[in-house]
Amino acid sequence: DGGITQSPKYLFRKEGQNVTLSCEQNLNHDAMYWYRQDPGQGLRLIYYSQIVNDFQKGDIAEGYSVSREKKESFPLTVTSAQKNPTAFYLCASRSGQGANYGYTFGSGTRLTVV
Amino acid sequence: DQQVKQNSPSLSVQEGRISILNCDYTNSMFDYFLWYKKYPAEGPTFLISISSIKDKNEDGRFTVFLNKSAKHLSLHIVPSQPGDSAVYFCAASALGTSYGKLTFGQGTILTVHP
Repeated sequence: DGGITQSPKYLFRKEGQNVTLSCEQNLNHDAMYWYRQDPGQGLRLIYYSQIVNDFQKGDIAEGYSVSREKKESFPLTVTSAQKNPTAFYLCASRSGQGANYGYTFGSGTRLTVV
Repeated sequence: DQQVKQNSPSLSVQEGRISILNCDYTNSMFDYFLWYKKYPAEGPTFLISISSIKDKNEDGRFTVFLNKSAKHLSLHIVPSQPGDSAVYFCAASALGTSYGKLTFGQGTILTVHP
């Protein structure tokens, strides 16, 4: 079955540490996205990538970094510069086809700073 | 600048009745709109979408209405079922310019009582 896998499901980080969230897709989608969800707020775009070796900042990129070395993978690093990293993180990919605009979301990673 | 707004944080309805969820947007470049349903600690599930060339789209119990002049869309669920209880997000995109970026509203928590 094709889909997006995010790991781990839950992640705990000490203050001052960097942490990397994994996102892998086997849908052969070119475009991939990282969103963040906070209580009472919608999903906000952190970074996106249209093709391999290219990515762009979204609305809230400060304190985050990404890479896109392979089409299937779009890992997100939450750095110590991110002031409020505790949130639910969602990865998505897009084909651009279909009523859903081709979006497929992963099941998310809950990051908690302790 | 919140370009997509869901002004009702929560909605409670009786099973079998109609649920109406509302969404307003400010960016006149948006030309494609989507509704997602989301459970805690899971990724959003696509429900229904509408292009700006239409004013209504229907899929089973779900109907989305778009009023472009008012920059307003709504999701109608008829009849509502307890399994519909979840957070509902509207999202918007400018297909030609935004590289597939979705802008989300804050979400509305729907509770359907048996």
